[in-house]
Amino acid sequence: DVKVTQSSRYLVKRTGEKVFLECVQDMDHENMFWYRQDPGLGLRLIYFSYDVKMKEKGDIPEGYSVSREKKERFSLILESASTNQTSMYLCASSLQRGVRTQYFGPGTRLTVL
Amino acid sequence: AQKVTQAQTEISVVEKEDVTLDCVYETRDTTYYLFWYKQPPSGELVFLIRRNSFDEQNEISGRYSWNFQKSTSSFNFTITASQVVDSAVYFCALVGGGADGLTFGKGTHLIIQP
Repeated sequence: DVKVTQSSRYLVKRTGEKVFLECVQDMDHENMFWYRQDPGLGLRLIYFSYDVKMKEKGDIPEGYSVSREKKERFSLILESASTNQTSMYLCASSLQRGVRTQYFGPGTRLTVL
Repeated sequence: AQKVTQAQTEISVVEKEDVTLDCVYETRDTTYYLFWYKQPPSGELVFLIRRNSFDEQNEISGRYSWNFQKSTSSFNFTITASQVVDSAVYFCALVGGGADGLTFGKGTHLIIQP
């Protein structure tokens, strides 16, 4: 079974803090993704990565950056957290480009005060 | 641009009833992929099924079945003899041939009452 893990289920941070959300997959998948989920807006793609040190912007990259130093790990970074970044963050991975099925982690519910 | 519409925001049925969740999509791609995911209260999105645009065969897996119709751009999901454990939010999603990230519908919250 594919296993995608995220470092925290719940996180509370203050406005202006730098926040790191970590995601690890154990199936040697090439592609990794970060989404955020908000009521009424559904899931939206923030960033994704095809390979180590590669990244691509999704639909809503503003206010976020990512890091992929190792194939199994994909980090989402909020450089200066703001209250409008309070959300559920979901990480996903897929085997490779052209193989479309994405497998999701349990999510991190981030609250920015 | 791609779009997925799940018109049913919430559905509530009594256990053992059959229930169908609707999904309508829009895409200009000739090759695309459709998905259904289940999100239980725990929050994790669980993959249920993937359908390729060139394969219109319906799929049945236990109590779950999926009806893919390109003519109406629909990919509906039916649960037969529903159970309380089926209570969750269900998402329909789409990815086009050249894209990577999934485009999700807003989800249907399914409540199965005992």
